[in-house]
Amino acid sequence: EPEVTQTPSHQVTQMGQEVILRCVPISNHLYFYWYRQILGQKVEFLVSFYNNEISEKSEIFDDQFSVERPDGSNFTLKIRSTKLEDSAMYFCASKWVPGGVQYFGAGTRLSVL
Amino acid sequence: GQQLNQSPQSMFIQEGEDVSMNCTSSSIFNTWLWYKQDPGEGPVLLIALYKAGELTSNGRLTAQFGITRKDSFLNISASIPSDVGIYFCAGQSNTGNQFYFGTGTSLTVIP
Repeated sequence: EPEVTQTPSHQVTQMGQEVILRCVPISNHLYFYWYRQILGQKVEFLVSFYNNEISEKSEIFDDQFSVERPDGSNFTLKIRSTKLEDSAMYFCASKWVPGGVQYFGAGTRLSVL
Repeated sequence: GQQLNQSPQSMFIQEGEDVSMNCTSSSIFNTWLWYKQDPGEGPVLLIALYKAGELTSNGRLTAQFGITRKDSFLNISASIPSDVGIYFCAGQSNTGNQFYFGTGTSLTVIP
């Protein structure tokens, strides 16, 4: 069964460093998402991406964040200068059609020290 | 952003019991999804609902899309230990691409 894959599963970084979280969405999907989940809290939307541009973003997705689809398969989230409060699970999701369901990856746990 | 209130926040039940949880929104949604999340894992889709009043089953799970389009319910019948986890509802309006997640219901099944 097709699945969304995320790498790495765990990323440890120093405060102020840049990190890139990688995702390979399901191959025929057209809509891509990043979500964040701080430990013990609900899943929060960060950004949606369609047709090579951001279609929606939340207040969390400030200038420190950027997304990119550098080729036909990868979808990345970059945090330019990490802060302690960026520590969370980051989930990538994708879907095929506007009204369709989103399928999530297993997540990347980001630990900022 | 949209507020989705999910209740109860946590449940402790005996194996074999039925479970009910619900999700309410301050605004109308066109799609409701229910996910289960195990510790350290990503949310796994359980059931998707697309139409007001729709009732959909997936094994022992049944979910309903509320008539008002502002709520949804998930029922689990005859719970088993592997049902343990956190259950999230998620709703999508017709004005955007994102899904808004509920606060989660933590389910513990006591053998």
